[in-house]
Amino acid sequence: DAKTTQPNSMESNEEEPVHLPCNHSTISGTDYIHWYRQLPSQGPEYVIHGLTSNVNNRMASLAIAEDRKSSTLILHRATLRDAAVYYCILRDGTGANNLFFGTGTRLTVIP
Amino acid sequence: GAGVSQSPSNKVTEKGKDVELRCDPISGHTALYWYRQSLGQGLEFLIYFQGNSAPDKSGLPSDRFSAERTGGSVSTLTIQRTQQEDSAVYLCASSLGQGTNYEQYFGPGTRLTVT
Repeated sequence: DAKTTQPNSMESNEEEPVHLPCNHSTISGTDYIHWYRQLPSQGPEYVIHGLTSNVNNRMASLAIAEDRKSSTLILHRATLRDAAVYYCILRDGTGANNLFFGTGTRLTVIP
Repeated sequence: GAGVSQSPSNKVTEKGKDVELRCDPISGHTALYWYRQSLGQGLEFLIYFQGNSAPDKSGLPSDRFSAERTGGSVSTLTIQRTQQEDSAVYLCASSLGQGTNYEQYFGPGTRLTVT
């Protein structure tokens, strides 16, 4: 699976939007962009995924660049419960089924 | 509904002993994964089961690690002759099917400490 690059940490004020960037310049045409997050002392949980078009769900939005070499996870209103490590992962739609986790972005939400 | 469960939640063992970690996936999920997470690190893939197919063992770090999945449901990860570097949180996940459109649901993990 192709590699992703994320900032080690970010901070946000509570109730403000958060934009978490991810670079994946070597993405292939069959790679899907997945985001998971891991709250303290818990297993990861799925957030959102997409291929080419922007995606929205109840948790977040995913904005994918036109050339697909980068994407941004958007939390519209950060809450204290959103403090977690956010992982951007590429999954080959034709290949392995396991997830390759990097070190992610640790999001701190300031009350 | 019930999520993925793992037991025990914590396990402390002496170096050289064998340990077994258990995972109960979500009912009906055909795919099951084991990962481990060392302190402050991301997750490392260990093994993957899909239905009755041969498991993908490509992530197992040594032959001391093995896993089985009985009846397509419960899975057990066994570590023989544990070493201190095996200390980590072992996470199990399941998904409804294989392929990139199926999200993985993770259990709370088993924290293994080898003394």
